[in-house]
Amino acid sequence: GQQLNQSPQSMFIQEGEDVSMNCTSSSIFNTWLWYKQDPGEGPVLLIALYKAGELTSNGRLTAQFGITRKDSFLNISASIPSDVGIYFCAGRSYGQNFVFGPGTRLSVLP
Amino acid sequence: SQTIHQWPATLVQPVGSPLSLECTVEGTSNPNLYWYRQAAGRGLQLLFYSVGIGQISSEVPQNLSASRPQDRQFILSSKKLLLSDSGFYLCAWGLGVGELFFGEGSRLTVL
Repeated sequence: GQQLNQSPQSMFIQEGEDVSMNCTSSSIFNTWLWYKQDPGEGPVLLIALYKAGELTSNGRLTAQFGITRKDSFLNISASIPSDVGIYFCAGRSYGQNFVFGPGTRLSVLP
Repeated sequence: SQTIHQWPATLVQPVGSPLSLECTVEGTSNPNLYWYRQAAGRGLQLLFYSVGIGQISSEVPQNLSASRPQDRQFILSSKKLLLSDSGFYLCAWGLGVGELFFGEGSRLTVL
């Protein structure tokens, strides 16, 4: 089946630094979603993208739908301790269910 | 606004016992409903999805089953649990080609 790759797998950053992570697919997608999951809780939707090249922000978070439609990027500016968690990407082609990446684990050091 | 709830939040069951996890969506009609399983430190695996009452599609063969007795209710069941059924189960809902929203999750431990 379809697979999504996320990188980096994990990252440790200092509070206040900017964060960049990406998600790549072997297939073309029409929708990209980005989620954050805290331990023991369900994933929370951060940003949804529906058009190639689209750039969407949600507070300090910015995500982009790659031009090739095979990738997406998530940036977090000026990280704070509550940004700690696992970030998942999900992509979907028309008529298909969402496919999820394995996640990027973010740790923020004070 | 729409909300999704699933319960119980935590469950410890012996091998061979039955299972029933419930999920309810409020504030929307005819949603697509999904059950996912998440292994420790890994991504989400789609188990079942439903586009309407009584309509269930299974993504992977397994020891589990799903039912949708009402428009906004989705149930995950097993007649006899296996050790390998342990995991974090997530219910989700969506409309058409839009976003997917998750419940709080149910942690199942089979001993």
